[in-house]
Amino acid sequence: SQTIHQWPATLVQPVGSPLSLECTVEGTSNPNLYWYRQAAGRGLQLLFYSVGIGQISSEVPQNLSASRPQDRQFILSSKKLLLSDSGFYLCAWSRGGPAETQYFGPGTRLLVL
Amino acid sequence: AQSVTQLDSQVPVFEEAPVELRCNYSSSVSVYLFWYVQYPNQGLQLLLKYLSGSTLVKGINGFEAEFNKSQTSFHLRKPSVHISDTAEYFCAVSDLRGSQGNLIFGKGTKLSVKP
Repeated sequence: SQTIHQWPATLVQPVGSPLSLECTVEGTSNPNLYWYRQAAGRGLQLLFYSVGIGQISSEVPQNLSASRPQDRQFILSSKKLLLSDSGFYLCAWSRGGPAETQYFGPGTRLLVL
Repeated sequence: AQSVTQLDSQVPVFEEAPVELRCNYSSSVSVYLFWYVQYPNQGLQLLLKYLSGSTLVKGINGFEAEFNKSQTSFHLRKPSVHISDTAEYFCAVSDLRGSQGNLIFGKGTKLSVKP
């Protein structure tokens, strides 16, 4: 069966510090991978998606970036965090295509102070 | 472009009462429709989805949803809720033409079931 992991589970970082969140998927190959941010009252905002190694598409311009160095690894980064980067970050995977279910990880709660 | 509107941000209901969570979408093309549930401090999991065929879709935990094309709605229902149904529910759509499978989510409805 497939599983998706995210770490860390929680993170408190000062403004201006760097960020690295990691997501890995097991039990499948060549998945589509997604990063979402969930802020209170705003639902889920798609930040990045990837259909393959090294292929990253950005949905929202911001100070975040994403990378996919391996088939089942997806990393969300920032060089300098802003207060507005606080939120709950969710990684998801799917088999690709509009009818496919997205399977979500447990999330990382980020608080920028 | 597609958009999803969940009119109710919070729905309080007593245990064993019926509940309906409303979802309307806007799209110039055909879409697939999804409902996801998020329990506190967890990721989302799929409740049900409509791809084609019967407009009444049954999902996990006794939930069902009905697709109404003329009203562009996909409301979620359960005839009798339990305390354990307390969670946030998200409606989402995906473009049939999109190969990436990107989802557009509504802002969510928090269902609170009281004893």
